[in-house]
Amino acid sequence: DSGVTQTPKHLITATGQRVTLRCSPRSGDLSVYWYQQSLDQGLQFLIQYYNGEERAKGNILERFSAQQFPDLHSELNLSSLELGDSALYFCASSVTGESYEQYFGPGTRLTVT
Amino acid sequence: DQQVKQNSPSLSVQEGRISILNCDYTNSMFDYFLWYKKYPAEGPTFLISISSIKDKNEDGRFTVFLNKSAKHLSLHIVPSQPGDSAVYFCAASATPGGTSYGKLTFGQGTILTVHP
Repeated sequence: DSGVTQTPKHLITATGQRVTLRCSPRSGDLSVYWYQQSLDQGLQFLIQYYNGEERAKGNILERFSAQQFPDLHSELNLSSLELGDSALYFCASSVTGESYEQYFGPGTRLTVT
Repeated sequence: DQQVKQNSPSLSVQEGRISILNCDYTNSMFDYFLWYKKYPAEGPTFLISISSIKDKNEDGRFTVFLNKSAKHLSLHIVPSQPGDSAVYFCAASATPGGTSYGKLTFGQGTILTVHP
């Protein structure tokens, strides 16, 4: 158990809908990262937050957005969902904003039908 | 543009033998490398890392080797155990700063199966 929690574990929704994925970092970690793992891809970095502020951005679609709240939990919002958005979404956390060693949650499996 | 590549989708070894997992990278700005292990239905777990100022890092049965000139790293597991069966991801990062920070770039993973 990494100490990072993600909810829900599974999500099934239809195209065009909007969903919110939630992540709680390990106690004491200030930075949260979001990654996407599609069927035939490695983990793709989406976005990083540190202590409530956006720190780094990867190839995150404009339909996707995220935020980190004062209690340090983070939410990833996915809107206008397409079939290709079906993937595993992982959240990771680290103590600082420059930590290479990130601790991953169990992931949320999103299925868009 | 796959900056980190694991060219072997799978590897099968016998218990007690050595497992060697390989990873190549193209971005010369990468200076820190990590290996993660992932079991089904779980998130990746950090295994071992190496900085570009070193060419070898050892932790128990796990050793990572880095060849900067070849832009190649490998993970050796000796001896391999059935419990090591998992997907292994290689990841790389550039020195924090600018827009890099803690961003990790992952390879596509290698499925290791260790047979009893």
